[in-house]
Parts: sequence; C-alpha cells; structure tokens
Amino acid sequence: GENVEQHPSTLSVQEGDSAVIKCTYSDSASNYFPWYKQELGKRPQLIIDIRSNVGEKKDQRIAVTLNKTAKHFSLHITETQPEDSAVYFCATGSNFGNEKLTFGTGTRLTIIP
Amino acid sequence: DVKVTQSSRYLVKRTGEKVFLECVQDMDHENMFWYRQDPGLGLRLIYFSYDVKMKEKGDIPEGYSVSREKKERFSLILESASTNQTSMYLCASKFFRANTEAFFGQGTRLTVV
Repeated sequence: GENVEQHPSTLSVQEGDSAVIKCTYSDSASNYFPWYKQELGKRPQLIIDIRSNVGEKKDQRIAVTLNKTAKHFSLHITETQPEDSAVYFCATGSNFGNEKLTFGTGTRLTIIP
Repeated sequence: DVKVTQSSRYLVKRTGEKVFLECVQDMDHENMFWYRQDPGLGLRLIYFSYDVKMKEKGDIPEGYSVSREKKERFSLILESASTNQTSMYLCASKFFRANTEAFFGQGTRLTVV
C-alpha cells in the first residue's frame, strides 16, 4: 500500500519568514495531493490541493509543488502569520472512485511573534 | 455548508466494553472514513465505505468493525475496548468521484480505562 513520509515533524519560524514542509510517497498511481491544516482542538480542513498534471499551484501565501518523477511534494507558506500556527498534514489519493486518502504523520508549525 | 457530526466529543469506557462511535453527514457523500489520530503517527485509516453496506479495511482494522446501514451514517465499533485503543477518532466523508475534498468531523476523544 501507499506510504507517505512527512518532514519535519516540528517547525518553528519567525513571523514573516517562510515555512516549507516536504512529503514523499511510494505509490506511483497516486495522482492527487491535498494538504490539510488542523488548528488546536479543531478538525482538519483542506487548504490546498494539486493534481498530478500540474507541477505547482499557488493560493495567496500558500503554494504546493509536485515532482512526480521523484515522488515528492511540498507546501510553502510565505510571510507567515501567527494564525498559520497549526498541524499540517499532507496526503495522497488516486484516481479511483473508491479513493481513500493516505496521510503523512503531520508537521506542527509554530510561528514565533 | 458541509456538516460531518460525530455523536460524542469525549468518551470514557472500561476495558472490555463494546463501544459505538457514530458519524453522520448531510451532504449525500458516498464515501465515508474512520481515522485514528495519535501524536507522531498522523491520521491512520481504520475502515472506509463507498456505499451502503459496503466496507473496506484500511491500514489498522484490527480490533474494529464498522456498519453502514444508511448512506448518511457510518459507525465504528470497538468489539472489546482495550487501553491501546485510547485515541482521537476522526470521521470523514467525500463524494465518490476522485480527487475531491474530504470533510472531517470534530473528533471523538476516547479514553479506555
């Protein structure tokens, strides 16, 4: 089955700096790569996703890049703000109707004011 | 607005008890999932279902079973609760078609004593 590795497990950055979280996956059939954000005490929520026919996607301060050859994808957050503090999960899915999402182990991001 | 609701936010059960965790969604989603969230281990899939009465094992199904008698409801059953099943349990749902967003419930924190 699919195996998703996520690094780092914790990350602290100064407010205003950039943060990068990286994930690698094993199943070459995976073609959907979402990122979820979980604030303290809340449910995970989708913040951005990318499909395998796209190498990069950006939404305001958040971007995701994908390298299908190397089987890795990354989340980039620029101009970080205190509200970016949360746990971030990467995930993979494949193009089947009974698709399940396989999640990484999570990254706890702390923004230092 | 999608709503995925889990029946309890907190539960305390005794070892050996049969435990039911209930999840209801109101968006007519075909696919429903049960994940377990533990620190450092991310979200691990227990079971999922893509149709009424259909179920598939995830990555850690041992000690659990599920029931899906109606499209909107997906139940997780711990046949005989054990202390190593103390965890946060998250339900999620999504449409059957691939590469679509999964919506999570608020989570049930289960403590087995």
